[in-house]
Amino acid sequence: GDSVTQMEGPVTLSEEAFLTINCTYTATGYPSLFWYVQYPGEGLQLLLKATKADDKGSNKGFEATYRKETTSFHLEKGSVQVSDSAVYFCALSARSNDYKLSFGAGTTVTVRA
Amino acid sequence: DAGITQSPRHKVTETGTPVTLRCHQTENHRYMYWYRQDPGHGLRLIHYSYGVKDTDKGEVSDGYSVSRSKTEDFLLTLESATSSQTSVYFCAISEDSPGQGGEQFFGPGTRLTVL
Repeated sequence: GDSVTQMEGPVTLSEEAFLTINCTYTATGYPSLFWYVQYPGEGLQLLLKATKADDKGSNKGFEATYRKETTSFHLEKGSVQVSDSAVYFCALSARSNDYKLSFGAGTTVTVRA
Repeated sequence: DAGITQSPRHKVTETGTPVTLRCHQTENHRYMYWYRQDPGHGLRLIHYSYGVKDTDKGEVSDGYSVSRSKTEDFLLTLESATSSQTSVYFCAISEDSPGQGGEQFFGPGTRLTVL
């Protein structure tokens, strides 16, 4: 079935460090790909998305590129801040099952001052 | 922020009792979803709705039922709560389906504890 696999955490970084969270997917066809973020005590919110191959989503200094050849959608940020401490979820919606989002297990990121 | 509320925000109940969680939106979005969040599992879809009285099962629907009689309300019922249903429940809404790149907006969550 359609699924996403993301790197396990937790990840702990110092401020201004480079962040990468790996996400790979399994799906038939051409899925839409998303990164959601959950700050402590809150619901999830969309961070960025890409709907076709080679698209780059970006928001708040975060970027991710839809790579069909490697079935990946890795999240990157060049210089993290303490406020980026959160849980990050990769998600997929396959064309064959439009109504649903399949989420990865989430990666907890903690940024230290 | 999308207008989406959940009630109650916290609930403690006993095994075997029925429980209903409510999701209310003011955005007039077509799609509504119920998820549960558990450590190590991310979010798992329980049920979803693609219109009034149009609902379908997600990946973890056993023990849960839903109803949507109005666009703005989506109810999740645990017919007979079990300890395995202790979790944080999130409602989400979207105007377009995620397969078309539609963004889901999430409510603040309901923390349910079944003793």
